[in-house]
Amino acid sequence: SAVISQKPSRDICQRGTSLTIQCQVDSQVTMMFWYRQQPGQSLTLIATANQGSEATYESGFVIDKFPISRPNLTFSTLTVSNMSPEDSSIYLCSVESIASSSSGANVLTFGAGSRLTVL
Amino acid sequence: GQNIDQPTEMTATEGAIVQINCTYQTSGFNGLFWYQQHAGEAPTFLSYNVLDGLEEKGRFSSFLSRSKGYSYLLLKELQMKDSASYLCAVRDSNYQLIWGAGTKLIIKP
Repeated sequence: SAVISQKPSRDICQRGTSLTIQCQVDSQVTMMFWYRQQPGQSLTLIATANQGSEATYESGFVIDKFPISRPNLTFSTLTVSNMSPEDSSIYLCSVESIASSSSGANVLTFGAGSRLTVL
Repeated sequence: GQNIDQPTEMTATEGAIVQINCTYQTSGFNGLFWYQQHAGEAPTFLSYNVLDGLEEKGRFSSFLSRSKGYSYLLLKELQMKDSASYLCAVRDSNYQLIWGAGTKLIIKP
């Protein structure tokens, strides 16, 4: 499966500022997925980043708040803009691959996550 | 709406067996996944079920009943390192992944 490097691993940010999270994959992938995981809650998909086209955002997430870049097939960034305490969360990037034990199904491999605390 | 239910927290004893249940209501079904997530770490893939029945992988097994919208993850011979959250996720008819909130499993000596 793919190996994903994500940074920063954690950060403490001031209200109103923006932070960019980087995600590097060790192989070329078509789609990269950005998730948010708030404490005690399920994973929520923010958007799907495709190389060469605009990201596809899920309901409740907009490009102005979470701009995404996808300059090539191994790299993506997610920016959390104009942060408020409600944006305090873990942000995860992920890619799909076929695991040998998944009967051919695509499974997600995740980066280690970026834990953001907004004061 | 689409929904996945799993217990918030469970406690079990080292060496014992524990079953974590997951029930789902989704628009269509294209497979069910179980992931393990240790505190402060990323989720990692455990198992996949798309047909009814039991899939066994070492100490871990996962069961699916599509007619009942039900799955469970069975962990045998529990070890302290099994303390983690276990996430159930279903792929719906649009191939979107719907995630449960996860079950925090606490293993006691």
